[in-house]
Amino acid sequence: GESVGLHLPTLSVQEGDNSIINCAYSNSASDYFIWYKQESGKGPQFIIDIRSNMDKRQGQRVTVLLNKTVKHLSLQIAATQPGDSAVYFCAEIPNSGGYQKVTFGIGTKLQVIP
Amino acid sequence: KAGVTQTPRYLIKTRGQQVTLSCSPISGHRSVSWYQQTPGQGLQFLFEYFSETQRNKGNFPGRFSGRQFSNSRSEMNVSTLELGDSALYLCASTVGASGGIEQFFGPGTRLTVL
Repeated sequence: GESVGLHLPTLSVQEGDNSIINCAYSNSASDYFIWYKQESGKGPQFIIDIRSNMDKRQGQRVTVLLNKTVKHLSLQIAATQPGDSAVYFCAEIPNSGGYQKVTFGIGTKLQVIP
Repeated sequence: KAGVTQTPRYLIKTRGQQVTLSCSPISGHRSVSWYQQTPGQGLQFLFEYFSETQRNKGNFPGRFSGRQFSNSRSEMNVSTLELGDSALYLCASTVGASGGIEQFFGPGTRLTVL
């Protein structure tokens, strides 16, 4: 079946540096993508989303880039802070919609070194 | 506004037993979705309820069931527990029906099957 994966299971960055977390997806029919942050002992928290008709979207210190040609999604975190330490994972929803069709990545653990 | 709450937070059961987990969505949210999260599989969709009706269902065996009450609170039940059912069970609520709308996750119930 279709799957969403992450290139790096663990990413360590120095505080203040920028972080880039990558995600490869395989369903070319995916229409909507979400990045989640999950801290230890908590449920996933919505960070930012992007629709397939866009290639870039910016939030507060975060930017999501979508490359439909290579089916690649990335999350950029500017000036990484200790509070950014968490597991980040992407999710894709195909254009037919419905949460039953959502595919989540396994996750990348971001470790911020003070 | 209170977030999504789940009870209990931790649960230990033995094989063959059954378990009921509870989720209270954010006030005013009518859609509740349930997910199973394991280290190897990531987040997997179980089912979604909207206005007391199951609208969508994932690929899980019939041992997994759920329901939603008139106040939008939801329960999920797992019967004849297996070791592989050990996981973090998350519920998420949204204002409207499924598809492309931000979900708010609860902290999850950590189920351990011995």
